[in-house]
Amino acid sequence: DVKVTQSSRYLVKRTGEKVFLECVQDMDHENMFWYRQDPGLGLRLIYFSYDVKMKEKGDIPEGYSVSREKKERFSLILESASTNQTSMYLCASSLFLSPLHFGNGTRLTVT
Amino acid sequence: GQQLNQSPQSMFIQEGEDVSMNCTSSSIFNTWLWYKQDPGEGPVLLIALYKAGELTSNGRLTAQFGITRKDSFLNISASIPSDVGIYFCAGSFTGTASKLTFGTGTRLQVTL
Repeated sequence: DVKVTQSSRYLVKRTGEKVFLECVQDMDHENMFWYRQDPGLGLRLIYFSYDVKMKEKGDIPEGYSVSREKKERFSLILESASTNQTSMYLCASSLFLSPLHFGNGTRLTVT
Repeated sequence: GQQLNQSPQSMFIQEGEDVSMNCTSSSIFNTWLWYKQDPGEGPVLLIALYKAGELTSNGRLTAQFGITRKDSFLNISASIPSDVGIYFCAGSFTGTASKLTFGTGTRLQVTL
């Protein structure tokens, strides 16, 4: 089974802090994704990556950046956290043209 | 990005009942996916559909790819308490995950 591991289940950060969310997958998938999930809005794509050191903006990239230095690891960075970035963040991975496999999520609260 | 219309938004059913939910889109898709999310967990893939008219089962779950390619249906037969959760549909025209559009989810609660 594919395993997508997000390093933290819960995080509480202060406004203005730099926040790192880490994600690791163990199935050699080319593609990795970061989504945020908010009630009533569903899942929205923040960034994705097709390969090491490659990244593409999703639907809501503002306020976020990403890093993919190794194939198995995809990091989401909030350069200066704001309260409107309080959300559930979901990492996912996939092979080309295959369904997504999700991690268990990181619930981030920015105070 | 576009969102799919998923209905119902929530439903309360009794154990043993059958459940139906659906997703509709204004655009045609070539791939439909159904996920389930348990409380506090990430979504888990239930069923993937790749062909218009396709009917696929996974245990008590059955999903169909609508022939218009603009809708999909998920049925759960003889519901049990562990069916509780949020069910999401997702569709893609290109088949690539980066172009996946998600529904807003159907919250299912099962009473004994």
